[in-house]
Amino acid sequence: EPEVTQTPSHQVTQMGQEVILRCVPISNHLYFYWYRQILGQKVEFLVSFYNNEISEKSEIFDDQFSVERPDGSNFTLKIRSTKLEDSAMYFCASSDLGQGVNTIYFGEGSWLTVV
Amino acid sequence: RKEVEQDPGPFNVPEGATVAFNCTYSNSASQSFFWYRQDCRKEPKLLMSVYSSGNEDGRFTAQLNRASQYISLLIRDSKLSDSATYLCVVNFARGSTLGRLYFGRGTQLTVWP
Repeated sequence: EPEVTQTPSHQVTQMGQEVILRCVPISNHLYFYWYRQILGQKVEFLVSFYNNEISEKSEIFDDQFSVERPDGSNFTLKIRSTKLEDSAMYFCASSDLGQGVNTIYFGEGSWLTVV
Repeated sequence: RKEVEQDPGPFNVPEGATVAFNCTYSNSASQSFFWYRQDCRKEPKLLMSVYSSGNEDGRFTAQLNRASQYISLLIRDSKLSDSATYLCVVNFARGSTLGRLYFGRGTQLTVWP
């Protein structure tokens, strides 16, 4: 079964540092997403991306965050000047249709610890 | 505002038991509904979509009541492998956006032998 892959699986970074989380969506998918889950809390939407631009972003996704599709396969989430509260599991996801009952496939996540 | 609310549990049931989870959502314009399963420190995985007519997949039955904004999941003949957190998820798209998934906090299920 095709899958979304994410790297790194775990990263520890110092507060104030920049972090880039990488994702390779499923190859024929056109819609990409980042979600995050703080330990013990619910999964939260960050951003959706289609046709090389952001489709929607949540109130969490402020100027500290950015996304990019630098080539035909990777989809990255950059977090500038990390804060302690950015510690969370970050899930990349992709789908072949943007709305309706299409299935969104999640990667295994990148666990970010900010110290 | 809590878009999706679930009973957090935990539910501890013996193998073979039937267990039911409930969920309510606040946005009446929500368009699609799902149950996901999440194992500890893993990604959410789609268990099943939920339709107004109700749908069944093996031991799992899901129901949606749009008027009451209520979603349910019934698991029959519980297996040890059903132990996980069950996430109620609702999709809402504004205008031409792709939509976003709103997750509940999950209901934890432990099935014991």
